[in-house]
Amino acid sequence: QQQVKQSPQSLIVQKGGISIINCAYENTAFDYFPWYQQFPGKGPALLIAIRPDVSEKKEGRFTISFNKSAKQFSLHIMDSQPGDSATYFCAATEAYKYIFGTGTRLKVLA
Amino acid sequence: GAVVSQHPSRVICKSGTSVKIECRSLDFQATTMFWYRQFPKKSLMLMATSNEGSKATYEQGVEKDKFLINHASLTLSTLTVTSAHPEDSSFYICSARGGSPYEQYFGPGTRLTVT
Repeated sequence: QQQVKQSPQSLIVQKGGISIINCAYENTAFDYFPWYQQFPGKGPALLIAIRPDVSEKKEGRFTISFNKSAKQFSLHIMDSQPGDSATYFCAATEAYKYIFGTGTRLKVLA
Repeated sequence: GAVVSQHPSRVICKSGTSVKIECRSLDFQATTMFWYRQFPKKSLMLMATSNEGSKATYEQGVEKDKFLINHASLTLSTLTVTSAHPEDSSFYICSARGGSPYEQYFGPGTRLTVT
């Protein structure tokens, strides 16, 4: 019930391509869905977040798509760049506590 | 804005000793701070939630006597790993919650190695 399933585990994308990472959840009490980017040896940094009353949110090259009925949400990185190579975590929040997905290691080839 | 620092960034200690890790919110007051543990190439696991001036709430399976958390002010929380053992070696990350109840701002992490 508390899990957030994330896929794929790893992803390789050509420069300029679109990176897509998916997450799914079961707990309908989750009410906030952030995405974090983490570089090796560093703490996670907030990229973008969405509330369940919105189906899509875009900030620059990053877009969250949210499907409440399917209990799924995804991160799209447009025009992926080598500097985007990092590990991405989705999360879901209940009572302000974060449950993190398992992470996706993205590598963008130059 | 919303900067969280951690100190030290790396620490190596001998088995049986205690280590203290500090987490500070630099430009905002954090009523709530969180402590996470992350194993290599794994996700973040919440260890405990600390509210300023009150006892921390530990997640199931986390030994509160081993991982002592103190949140003495609105800008400082500390995690003390007591009687550390090699299996406590990990990446410890704190986060702080400011004005928004949903957003957490993460520190850069502390790499603990117990020899």
